[in-house]
Amino acid sequence: GQNIDQPTEMTATEGAIVQINCTYQTSGFNGLFWYQQHAGEAPTFLSYNVLDGLEEKGRFSSFLSRSKGYSYLLLKELQMKDSASYLCAVSRDDKIIFGKGTRLHILP
Amino acid sequence: NAGVTQTPKFRVLKTGQSMTLLCAQDMNHEYMYWYRQDPGMGLRLIHYSVGEGTTAKGEVPDGYNVSRLKKQNFLLGLESAAPSQTSVYFCASRSRDRGLHEQYFGPGTRLTVT
Repeated sequence: GQNIDQPTEMTATEGAIVQINCTYQTSGFNGLFWYQQHAGEAPTFLSYNVLDGLEEKGRFSSFLSRSKGYSYLLLKELQMKDSASYLCAVSRDDKIIFGKGTRLHILP
Repeated sequence: NAGVTQTPKFRVLKTGQSMTLLCAQDMNHEYMYWYRQDPGMGLRLIHYSVGEGTTAKGEVPDGYNVSRLKKQNFLLGLESAAPSQTSVYFCASRSRDRGLHEQYFGPGTRLTVT
């Protein structure tokens, strides 16, 4: 397989911060995507990291370390609508390969 | 712009029947992808295309064929459906331009094979 690993499930509280980690094999790596997917819907794009470092976009930030094969998605000020699956995906050559996704539960 | 559309939205097939899923995009994207999504398995790449007239295998290509005769359309065929092909199928497209990274997804096709 493509060995893209992320936790299966996580739980956090409304208003808190949560970090979702993703590790991947570095061979042929071009960049890393994060997507959000609500139940029964198509994935929607959150971020794409090519270079090392942190990119911030509103309440969501994404970090990449190419040398370590590691990324995380940081969600701040959690809202109930953030309950969804978060998908890490790696761009290799012309392919985009997904991990199994992390289901995030938000408690009031 | 309609973005990425998929036809049909739902389908029930009997084992051994054939069908074609149609994906269309109006964004002039070069790259198109077919994925299947099963519970606990995430999105798995079936086939993909980097341009009109070209296709390539993804992670799980067995039992499927594809064609990209026109740039805007990407067809996924099941020649002899099996219950293991019961899944939600997503099509996606994106630009070849390295400055435009986003992959746009269609709404999905829910296929049941009995």
